Amino acid sequence: DAGVTQSPTHLIKTRGQQVTLRCSPKSGHDTVSWYQQALGQGPQFIFQYYEEEERQRGNFPDRFSGHQFPNYSSELNVNALLLGDSALYLCASSLSADWTGNTIYFGEGSWLTVV
Amino acid sequence: QKEVEQNSGPLSVPEGAIASLNCTYSDRGSQSFFWYRQYSGKSPELIMSIYSNGDKEDGRFTAQLNKASQYVSLLIRDSQPSDSATYLCAVKIGTDSWGKLQFGAGTQVVVTP
Repeated sequence: DAGVTQSPTHLIKTRGQQVTLRCSPKSGHDTVSWYQQALGQGPQFIFQYYEEEERQRGNFPDRFSGHQFPNYSSELNVNALLLGDSALYLCASSLSADWTGNTIYFGEGSWLTVV
Repeated sequence: QKEVEQNSGPLSVPEGAIASLNCTYSDRGSQSFFWYRQYSGKSPELIMSIYSNGDKEDGRFTAQLNKASQYVSLLIRDSQPSDSATYLCAVKIGTDSWGKLQFGAGTQVVVTP
């Protein structure tokens, strides 16, 4: 049973560029959340997708956008990259029917470096 | 005030001793609490979840929850060098299916031989 898979694992971008990160949820999961983890910090919630719609959003600017596809996979897009966007981007998948949060699984993350 | 607070550490623990990690949270309505372990350069790995007041034990790990005090803790018994990692406390905000996780900054644990 494949877990949460993310791609790419590492990438380097230049300030001002745009980046797309991808996530395939764990089999059977229908909800995808994205988190940003800066060095030395805990993960910060960016947004959550279910049924191809953004359900919740954290305190991130509009430069951060996302999409969920009919097969539940998801993309995170960041425009006009800033040096401060350098971080580990984590995708978490879960079951919409689970209120406990106990089905939340994280992928291995995508390391983004902005130079 | 941060919504989930942890001591940043590092917490140095002799091998075989008990490591005690603490976490406080501000959202009184929260019902789900988690401890994640994160090795350097890796993603968080769930090690414990707790929903009711009291203790929950799983192997060498014990989670303790006190909702009245808005406090959750993790004990690691018989600490091993492989327990050296950053431990993240997370609180699920919202009692519906759409709740997000709010994390503390993590406590770094170093187990010394």
